[in-house]
Amino acid sequence: KAGVTQTPRYLIKTRGQQVTLSCSPISGHRSVSWYQQTPGQGLQFLFEYFSETQRNKGNFPGRFSGRQFSNSRSEMNVSTLELGDSALYLCASSLDGPAQDGYTFGSGTRLTVV
Amino acid sequence: AQSVTQLDSQVPVFEEAPVELRCNYSSSVSVYLFWYVQYPNQGLQLLLKYLSGSTLVKSINGFEAEFNKSQTSFHLRKPSVHISDTAEYFCAVMRGSGGSNYKLTFGKGTLLTVNP
Repeated sequence: KAGVTQTPRYLIKTRGQQVTLSCSPISGHRSVSWYQQTPGQGLQFLFEYFSETQRNKGNFPGRFSGRQFSNSRSEMNVSTLELGDSALYLCASSLDGPAQDGYTFGSGTRLTVV
Repeated sequence: AQSVTQLDSQVPVFEEAPVELRCNYSSSVSVYLFWYVQYPNQGLQLLLKYLSGSTLVKSINGFEAEFNKSQTSFHLRKPSVHISDTAEYFCAVMRGSGGSNYKLTFGKGTLLTVNP
């Protein structure tokens, strides 16, 4: 079966712009989580969605937002980009949270803010 | 809140040697524990997990980890490594029950480099 698909793979944006990243989970998976990975901070949890509802949110400013659609596809949006937002953004999906079956991660979207 | 400490940022070993990647966690409640592996330019792959039951868990490619509650550790071991095991390994913890149990807290990672 197809894995978790993230688009685009690479993105270059200018400070102050906004960006939308997309994640298509494995078919049948209803939980989608987003993580930010940077060399300095490592992997940090952004938010988790299940059946279009945000169940948990990490400690990121309000510029970071997300949503999930009825087909479980998810998007995350970052407004007013800052240089520090440059990172690999990873999406992960599961049937219902990581405990049941672990997470399946996508290959990520590498965002560079210049 | 939970936290994870991976004591070694880099571990170089020779092929066919044994390896141990150390992971300690901090939590006031019960936890689930995970090891993930990340190859260059890829996402993370689940290697193994501990939820309950036997404290020794094994992966299909020869890795194993043991949950030690008294030492709050979940070290990853392999008796004989291959070149192909070169990757970054992440230990992660999740609250075992109750609210906020959909979030993984990761360690900073250990880069395992297997040399010929």
